[in-house]
Amino acid sequence: QTVVTQEPSFSVSPGGTVTLTCGLSSGSVSTNYYPSWYQQTPGQAPRTLMYSTKIRSSGVPDRFSGSILGNKAALTITGAQAEDDSDYYCVLYMGSGVPVFGGGTKLTVL
Amino acid sequence: QLQLQESGPGLVKPSETLSLTCTVSGGSITSSAYYWGWIRQPPGKGLEWIGSVYYSGNTYYNPSLKSRVTISVDTPKNHFSLKLNSVTAADTAVYYCARVMWFGELFFDFWGQGTLVTVSS
Repeated sequence: QTVVTQEPSFSVSPGGTVTLTCGLSSGSVSTNYYPSWYQQTPGQAPRTLMYSTKIRSSGVPDRFSGSILGNKAALTITGAQAEDDSDYYCVLYMGSGVPVFGGGTKLTVL
Repeated sequence: QLQLQESGPGLVKPSETLSLTCTVSGGSITSSAYYWGWIRQPPGKGLEWIGSVYYSGNTYYNPSLKSRVTISVDTPKNHFSLKLNSVTAADTAVYYCARVMWFGELFFDFWGQGTLVTVSS
């Protein structure tokens, strides 16, 4: 069974830059997996940040960017703000209508 | 603006069937580019895709849940539903419905607020 991997936690200082990654237990992530990213704060529904690797959803600040770095999908926050303190989940599309969530990264901004 | 709202019992007994409905407003469930999906999140844990349905009734399920899940759509009522049978405490979770953009790419673009379902006697 394919496992989508994410860093369990990350920390960044306000104004700093952080890159979260999304990989596969076996193999490399490419744009063909159409990586998407979601932000979730406690008690709230997820919010869609990014899809098709690097397209920002409506209303998402441009400090969020998506890319493929090496063999993983990546979400970079440039100039992190206090309100970015959240959980972040990636999804990879495995084909045949099947998406798989990563385990999530808890990002702390302090 | 599209809105999705989950509804259903918040408490289900072990071995029984969990049933939830997601009502779509501000848009039609028959939009051709979209599927409609269910995702769940156990307390303190990550998100898990359960399955998706097209307005025609075509479905895709998470292989790990497929034997217990049925997702259906009611186009006149503009809603879709989830049934999960033989539930155990491990099925306790917040259940979200979402719109699934599937046009080559696949991602979730609109989410309901979620509803907590607890499995307990």
